[in-house]
Amino acid sequence: SQQGEEDPQALSIQEGENATMNCSYKTSINNLQWYRQNSGRGLVHLILIRSNEREKHSGRLRVTLDTSKKSSSLLITASRAADTASYFCATDLGTLTFGKGTMLLVSP
Amino acid sequence: DADVTQTPRNRITKTGKRIMLECSQTKGHDRMYWYRQDPGLGLRLIYYSFDVKDINKGEISDGYSVSRQAQAKFSLSLESAIPNQTALYFCATSDFGNQPQHFGDGTRLSIL
Repeated sequence: SQQGEEDPQALSIQEGENATMNCSYKTSINNLQWYRQNSGRGLVHLILIRSNEREKHSGRLRVTLDTSKKSSSLLITASRAADTASYFCATDLGTLTFGKGTMLLVSP
Repeated sequence: DADVTQTPRNRITKTGKRIMLECSQTKGHDRMYWYRQDPGLGLRLIYYSFDVKDINKGEISDGYSVSRQAQAKFSLSLESAIPNQTALYFCATSDFGNQPQHFGDGTRLSIL
């Protein structure tokens, strides 16, 4: 069963715009992680936010976590064509449970 | 060299064949995982191992088996492959709990 569910399923924007992806989950978690997958490649870890944290930044990435609403968001600022990829949230309860992902297309 | 290496990268085989997918890592991590990815379904956990003597079933272990030959090696077997096992298979590692996982580039498996 999928613990995390990303929204939207697909997102198309222009370079320079911001991209926001959301993740909802069902149970308590130890932490929530975001991963990126370029077409046909392995997943790459982007950021981990622990259950007692509310916001975390890494470069152009900003992740928020609201445990009361069981939701998280990933914001990519000033997007680039190279950000085109699928993005997955994963909830950690000892092992990771992944959502179905958001496909982001950034056009030049 | 990649930290997590999967072999083969691509495999086409026939129904009923036994197949082994291999994963090796140079990260020195104790924990290793096997996932499968189907279009539109994200990644699902097949088996995982927290150390050499530990093997655990994941969400979708039926039809699969694993062997943890060493800290660095974790192989996935399909004893008698069937077409609905056609998927992209990923191996991953992590150092310990509550840490990021590091993925290989996957094995694309097609069963005819």
